[in-house]
Amino acid sequence: QQQVKQSPQSLIVQKGGISIINCAYENTAFDYFPWYQQFPGKGPALLIAIRPDVSEKKEGRFTISFNKSAKQFSLHIMDSQPGDSATYFCAARGQKLVFGTGTRLLVSP
Amino acid sequence: DTGVSQDPRHKITKRGQNVTFRCDPISEHNRLYWYRQTLGQGPEFLTYFQNEAQLEKSRLLSDRFSAERPKGSFSTLEIQRTEQGDSAMYLCASSSRALYGYTFGSGTRLTVV
Repeated sequence: QQQVKQSPQSLIVQKGGISIINCAYENTAFDYFPWYQQFPGKGPALLIAIRPDVSEKKEGRFTISFNKSAKQFSLHIMDSQPGDSATYFCAARGQKLVFGTGTRLLVSP
Repeated sequence: DTGVSQDPRHKITKRGQNVTFRCDPISEHNRLYWYRQTLGQGPEFLTYFQNEAQLEKSRLLSDRFSAERPKGSFSTLEIQRTEQGDSAMYLCASSSRALYGYTFGSGTRLTVV
């Protein structure tokens, strides 16, 4: 039973462009929504996170937009760089973190 | 802050053998989690400790899997009679009650041949 749905599965963006990854959840008891970045051979690293009482959070080039009524949230990467090429996972926390299926982002030079 | 350490980084074993992985969490974190990640998928929850108590186990954790966290410090995950389907990255993460985020280790990649 997938509790967090993530799209797209893969994404190619030109350098300097905006990368957008979307997630939707079902469980209204989730109280924390982080995004993780994972490079090959490494564990996921926390990138940015938001709580459901906030509609937007920005940290540098990374922004989370959160729509509580629609039960959706998204990650925007502004001015995407080749170094951002990685797999991104959204997650939602209840008793534990539940992850989406991931988005492989490739930023072309 | 030395991060979450996992050992070994890679393990190749023959089907039917037992394997054990170790996780050393961030010292001040009292919560420790094990996840499994297969290629192209997100991490899937296996089990969770608060201090030394194992509070939740996923249905993914068959009877061949056992986890311990003696004295609430490091944790071990043992897989008995390994099967090819056990091949995956096993991730450990830790957190504290004050933090919402988990800090993950680099994982142990298990290959069962």
